[in-house]
Amino acid sequence: AQTVTQSQPEMSVQEAETVTLSCTYDTSESDYYLFWYKQPPSRQMILVIRQEAYKQQNATENRFSVNFQKAAKSFSLKISDSQLGDAAMYFCAYREINSGGSNYKLTFGKGTLLTVNP
Amino acid sequence: EAQVTQNPRYLITVTGKKLTVTCSQNMNHEYMSWYRQDPGLGLRQIYYSMNVEVTDKGDVPEGYKVSRKEKRNFPLILESPSPNQTSLYFCASSRLAGVYEQFFGPGTRLTVL
Repeated sequence: AQTVTQSQPEMSVQEAETVTLSCTYDTSESDYYLFWYKQPPSRQMILVIRQEAYKQQNATENRFSVNFQKAAKSFSLKISDSQLGDAAMYFCAYREINSGGSNYKLTFGKGTLLTVNP
Repeated sequence: EAQVTQNPRYLITVTGKKLTVTCSQNMNHEYMSWYRQDPGLGLRQIYYSMNVEVTDKGDVPEGYKVSRKEKRNFPLILESPSPNQTSLYFCASSRLAGVYEQFFGPGTRLTVL
């Protein structure tokens, strides 16, 4: 079974600084998708960024970027120019590429709570 | 506005009293799923549905039932709730093909006394 590990239960960063959240995963599949979700105090799950495993180029969304190391099964999230609104729980998630109608389940890590200090 | 809605948002109940948490999406998504979130455990899948009348168990299905009679609705049923089902519940939906993200509902905080 696939597993996702986030080794940092909590992280903190100063406003305007850069922080990197770690994620590793275990799978025997060669093609899959990886996601970072943000959960602010409102509890809403918000997609931050996604990466297709067959793409070598790292995904970027404004201040958010990933470092995808397929061989190492590592998928870290970098937040640049951190803002107070970035404070949230961040979840790394894995999903298989499906064909033929199997489960589209997201497998989540346990989360990293990010605090942004003014 | 494209969205997934859940009701109720908060619920306190007692052991054994049947309850239903509703989930509805307006995006014509084929796939719908229920997750529960517990501290230190992340989110875990309870049940999922690939389309109308097609449902299957996820990782933690014990104590739950679902149905999918209409494409837009996917209710979660707790026939006899127990305290270990106290949790935060999320419904999610997506299209079937491609790297389509799963859209999440706002969550339902359930407490079983």
